[in-house]
Amino acid sequence: AQSVTQLDSHVSVSEGTPVLLRCNYSSSYSPSLFWYVQHPNKGLQLLLKYTSAATLVKGINGFEAEFKKSETSFHLTKPSAHMSDAAEYFCVVSDRETSYDKVIFGPGTSLSVIP
Amino acid sequence: DGGITQSPKYLFRKEGQNVTLSCEQNLNHDAMYWYRQDPGQGLRLIYYSQIVNDFQKGDIAEGYSVSREKKESFPLTVTSAQKNPTAFYLCASSIGIGPSSGNTIYFGEGSWLTVV
Repeated sequence: AQSVTQLDSHVSVSEGTPVLLRCNYSSSYSPSLFWYVQHPNKGLQLLLKYTSAATLVKGINGFEAEFKKSETSFHLTKPSAHMSDAAEYFCVVSDRETSYDKVIFGPGTSLSVIP
Repeated sequence: DGGITQSPKYLFRKEGQNVTLSCEQNLNHDAMYWYRQDPGQGLRLIYYSQIVNDFQKGDIAEGYSVSREKKESFPLTVTSAQKNPTAFYLCASSIGIGPSSGNTIYFGEGSWLTVV
């Protein structure tokens, strides 16, 4: 069965410093992995996705994530945090279970950016 | 521009009332979804639909109902049987039945439902 663990419920960084949001997953099949961002009272926006191509995935707004199969991880990083990055971030895993796709959302990590 | 439109943004429900949340998409997507999000928590799947006139229960379908009479529309009714309906509701869609083959799920802006 699939599962997603976001190791930190809350992360706080200073503006201009690196961001690391951690995600570990379990999957019986070759998964697709996604990171979404949600600003307050808004829907979810796709940041980036991994679908068995390059293991280092670049997304929007300077974010990137690396798929590490041996560690079953898909951590999200950004070299320099901006105030506008403050939001909720969700790691998502999907693979083919029986005859349909099953999508699992992680519990989310709240990112605060300190001026 | 293509996208998903949810309405209303804010809705208040009295005890014992049924209310319907609208979701329309012009992305020509086959699959549509409804998720519930409680404050400070992740998303839980209520219902999903792979194709017109077909829909399946998700993890928390009790107290909810849906219809899929048109490809672009997937309304969600919150019935009086749902005892704790106050939450943020998100509608979503994707080209196929899910993103395992790389199909991204696109989300609407959400609807807040509050019981008064």
